Amino acid sequence: QQQVKQSPQSLIVQKGGISIINCAYENTAFDYFPWYQQFPGKGPALLIAIRPDVSEKKEGRFTISFNKSAKQFSLHIMDSQPGDSATYFCAASYGNNRLAFGKGNQVVVIP
Amino acid sequence: DVKVTQSSRYLVKRTGEKVFLECVQDMDHENMFWYRQDPGLGLRLIYFSYDVKMKEKGDIPEGYSVSREKKERFSLILESASTNQTSMYLCASATMNQPQHFGDGTRLSIL
Repeated sequence: QQQVKQSPQSLIVQKGGISIINCAYENTAFDYFPWYQQFPGKGPALLIAIRPDVSEKKEGRFTISFNKSAKQFSLHIMDSQPGDSATYFCAASYGNNRLAFGKGNQVVVIP
Repeated sequence: DVKVTQSSRYLVKRTGEKVFLECVQDMDHENMFWYRQDPGLGLRLIYFSYDVKMKEKGDIPEGYSVSREKKERFSLILESASTNQTSMYLCASATMNQPQHFGDGTRLSIL
C-alpha cells in the first residue's frame, strides 16, 4: 500500500488566523500532490495541487509548500474564514492517476 | 465543469443482498475509481478502471466487484452485503495526468 501520513487530525483556528496541515510520504515515485477539501454531504473537491519540481504554489489564501528532500508537503490557509471549516485531505499520485490519501484533517474556524 | 453523478445519496440494504452502486461521468474520462470513506481511515481505493471492460484491484477489493461496460459508467457491486460494508462510497473520474473529480457519495447502510 502507498502511504501518505497527515497531521494533525483536527485543528481549531480563530478567524483571521493561519491553518497549517502537514503531510509526509515515503515513495519517491509520487509525481503529483493534490489537496482536496470536503464539506459535509459533499464529495472531495480539488483545492490546489503541486508537482515535485516546484517548492511552493499559491492560489488566493491557499499555499502549498513542498520539501522534496524531506518528503514533506503542507497546506497553509491564510486569513482563515468560517467558510473554510471542512475536512482537508492531502494525496499523492502514482501510476494510472491513482491517489494515495492521507486520513484527513478536520479544520474548524471559529468567529 | 466535470460532473460525476452517483445514482443514490442514501441506500439501506439487508445483509446478504446483492447491491449495485452506479456512477456516471460526463467528461469522457478514461479512468474511474471507487473508494470507501470511513471516519479516521480517510479514502481507501476499492477498484479502478482505466478503460472500458478493464479493471484493477485497489487496496481493499475483498467483497466487491466492478463493471465497466461503457466509458461513462462504472458500477460497484457488493456480491453479498455484510454489515462491515456500511460506509460512504465515493466515485471519481480522471483523464490521464489530471486530477480526480469526485461525486457526492452514496451513504450505504447494511442492516
